[in-house]
Amino acid sequence: EAQVTQNPRYLITVTGKKLTVTCSQNMNHEYMSWYRQDPGLGLRQIYYSMNVEVTDKGDVPEGYKVSRKEKRNFPLILESPSPNQTSLYFCASSSGQAPNSPLHFGNGTRLTVT
Amino acid sequence: GQSLEQPSEVTAVEGAIVQINCTYQTSGFYGLSWYQQHDGGAPTFLSYNALDGLEETGRFSSFLSRSDSYGYLLLQELQMKDSASYFCAVRTMDSSYKLIFGSGTRLLVRP
Repeated sequence: EAQVTQNPRYLITVTGKKLTVTCSQNMNHEYMSWYRQDPGLGLRQIYYSMNVEVTDKGDVPEGYKVSRKEKRNFPLILESPSPNQTSLYFCASSSGQAPNSPLHFGNGTRLTVT
Repeated sequence: GQSLEQPSEVTAVEGAIVQINCTYQTSGFYGLSWYQQHDGGAPTFLSYNALDGLEETGRFSSFLSRSDSYGYLLLQELQMKDSASYFCAVRTMDSSYKLIFGSGTRLLVRP
């Protein structure tokens, strides 16, 4: 089944403790992206990647890192999480750069930083 | 800047028709997309309008008017399972290939 898989689904951590949220897609998609979703703010892009070893900042990249060493994986790294990073995170991928290429989303990771 | 505005909430009755509007301010974009998100779930793609006019997919239709900076999603024969949040989104024309989302409209379908 074609899908984007994120892990974990839920994560509670403390300020400053490094964490990684994994994202993997099995559709051979070139484009991958991370979004965070907060009430009233919709989905905001954190980082995106056009292909292996090609990543760039989205609208809200502060406090986050990403890597794209393989086409299928695009982990999100929080080196020193803070409470304002408490949010619902989504990884997404699409097949190409055509404007009508839909984004396929993972099931989300709800992160709480205390 | 680029922004998309949607009503925060819409309520409608089962079997009725509802229209969810999206107005945008953006310097240029490829097309208008719509995504559906049920509570606790992931957004899923519904439709895409590259050109002005109406696109129909079953009970759902989407409309775009670039001259009016306006689009809408039309849901017909509403069902309880249509209760969800709906997001409009545009893909920017810059090198970021970014999809910018509106803040979403929560649709509540009542019996």
